Amino acid sequence: DGGITQSPKYLFRKEGQNVTLSCEQNLNHDAMYWYRQDPGQGLRLIYYSQIVNDFQKGDIAEGYSVSREKKESFPLTVTSAQKNPTAFYLCASSSLRTGYTHEQYFGPGTRLTVT
Amino acid sequence: SQQGEEDPQALSIQEGENATMNCSYKTSINNLQWYRQNSGRGLVHLILIRSNEREKHSGRLRVTLDTSKKSSSLLITASRAADTASYFCATGRRETSGSRLTFGEGTQLTVNP
Repeated sequence: DGGITQSPKYLFRKEGQNVTLSCEQNLNHDAMYWYRQDPGQGLRLIYYSQIVNDFQKGDIAEGYSVSREKKESFPLTVTSAQKNPTAFYLCASSSLRTGYTHEQYFGPGTRLTVT
Repeated sequence: SQQGEEDPQALSIQEGENATMNCSYKTSINNLQWYRQNSGRGLVHLILIRSNEREKHSGRLRVTLDTSKKSSSLLITASRAADTASYFCATGRRETSGSRLTFGEGTQLTVNP
């Protein structure tokens, strides 16, 4: 059963703690992405990776970190430096072909609440 | 910053009516994509139109793209209650750092039975 999994679905943390969100895909996609979504808003790109051991900052990377040690996995760490970490976090992946940006496949999301 | 702006922010129609959502963007693009999101879920890809295409159909969906006006529209015909969701446009472009999408703020569509 191919797809993208994110865990956990809901996550609660105390302020000042780092937390890592999991994202795994078995679609053999090269590219993976992390987005943040606030209530009633669109998606904002945090980080993306097009190849193992390489990643780029998106529009709102401050306070976040990622790693891409395996093609299938792209975990996101929300650090204590992120001022407003409470949000819905979405992971996505896509194949890459020369010249075009292709459709992205999304996981079910992780809702993070920090108090 | 957000590339796309969608209009309207919210749309409420009766089952069987058509729904039209618009998207405007600012910079040059390779393609424009539309996604659907049910409440609290991940996004699902609906349709992609390339920058050299003007119109595309997929089932009850019709997408147009006007690159001179930097705008796109999504038409859902004969809407159903199950079409109730948020719809997002996303512009795709290649940058020196790789390929990425930039999403609009979305249109919340409610289809009343």
